[in-house]
Amino acid sequence: QVQLVESGGGVVRPGRSLRLSCTTSGFAFSNNAMHWVRQAPGKGLEWVALISYDGRNTQYVDSVKGRCTISRDNFKNTLYLEMNSLRAEDTAVYYCARTIYYSGSGTAFDIWGQGTLVTVSS
Amino acid sequence: DIQMTQSPSSLSAAVGDRVTITCRTSQNIYDYLNWYQQKPGQAPKLLIYAASTLQRGVPSRFSGSGSGRDFTLTISSLQPEDFATYFCQQSYSAPPHTFGQGTKLEIK
Repeated sequence: QVQLVESGGGVVRPGRSLRLSCTTSGFAFSNNAMHWVRQAPGKGLEWVALISYDGRNTQYVDSVKGRCTISRDNFKNTLYLEMNSLRAEDTAVYYCARTIYYSGSGTAFDIWGQGTLVTVSS
Repeated sequence: DIQMTQSPSSLSAAVGDRVTITCRTSQNIYDYLNWYQQKPGQAPKLLIYAASTLQRGVPSRFSGSGSGRDFTLTISSLQPEDFATYFCQQSYSAPPHTFGQGTKLEIK
């Protein structure tokens, strides 16, 4: 059974750091690009970051560039998101998601974790 | 970045109704358009990718169409479990992988 389980969320003060983890099982993790997507309370979905299957390529949404680092450990089948200099506007449920490919370069998020809530508040 | 506009933002419908949700993009994305369903307290679920391809396990009452800038998600006969929020998402010019703002489908 394919499964993604996020952890590491919590309440943190502005300016502090947090590391999220996404533990995966049931599929060949090292073959798949992975993403983080977030959702502020009562709001829509915002893509945050992606990492290629081998970890060599990473991309970020502009609002987290320079503050967040996505990484992976293909031996532990685990995805990470290191978040620094946290702001109130980073408050959200953070989901990890697996990529599928279509039409050559099209991508979609076919498997999602249940999410972990990050609350940035003083 | 490509902008995504969904309409309507919310919609009331009854069980058995046929419902259509639209997604318009700020530029041509060919068929690089996906649809997700999200129920309260749950993660999003992929329904349709490549504008019209049904994800495995998704009921056939869901269908997608369109290409270029205009896309639709249709539910042919609403079931009680279909009341949720629906999001479109483009992957043509990504990153960033932009989402529409969502359409909340409520029971009439």
